[in-house]
Amino acid sequence: LAKTTQPISMDSYEGQEVNITCSHNNIATNDYITWYQQFPSQGPRFIIQGYKTKVTNEVASLFIPADRKSSTLSLPRVSLSDTAVYYCLVGDYNQGGKLIFGQGTELSVKP
Amino acid sequence: DTGVSQDPRHKITKRGQNVTFRCDPISEHNRLYWYRQTLGQGPEFLTYFQNEAQLEKSRLLSDRFSAERPKGSFSTLEIQRTEQGDSAMYLCASSLVGGKETQYFGPGTRLLVL
Repeated sequence: LAKTTQPISMDSYEGQEVNITCSHNNIATNDYITWYQQFPSQGPRFIIQGYKTKVTNEVASLFIPADRKSSTLSLPRVSLSDTAVYYCLVGDYNQGGKLIFGQGTELSVKP
Repeated sequence: DTGVSQDPRHKITKRGQNVTFRCDPISEHNRLYWYRQTLGQGPEFLTYFQNEAQLEKSRLLSDRFSAERPKGSFSTLEIQRTEQGDSAMYLCASSLVGGKETQYFGPGTRLLVL
């Protein structure tokens, strides 16, 4: 499973767009990129998953360049309730199996 | 929509006692996972089941830990002779084989060993 590197923490203000970049230089051909969000004392919540180019859903967008060695989670117009830890995971999760979490990025949204 | 549920949500126990946690997955999900999370760290994989079969166990799962999923539905995680180092959040997740395999997590059981 490819190792991921993401910033330990980020600060933002309400209403701003937040971009969290994740590096995964050793991503394999069959690997997908998956992001989870976790609030204190809760289980992680699936946000978005992608393989290449751009994926968008109702809460976020995921940008993946052609070489797939990095990815960027974009949160539009964040609010205080987006304060959480965001995890980037890389693996062939469509085949099942364990998720390998890193330390994640602690996002703090200020008023 | 009933998501993954876990019981109890919190457990305080004394060192040396046994504890058991329960996880009820999303009803049609056939894979069930257990993770452990300590403060400031991401969740760590412990074990997973497909239906009743336990397919993988982490080396983190010492002999004091045992997990079961007897009828392929709910699962239990038992810790025998608890130690202070077992204090953590125990998370359960489930997924459906054949789909996108997205894992959905429960709220967790927070264990404190005194």
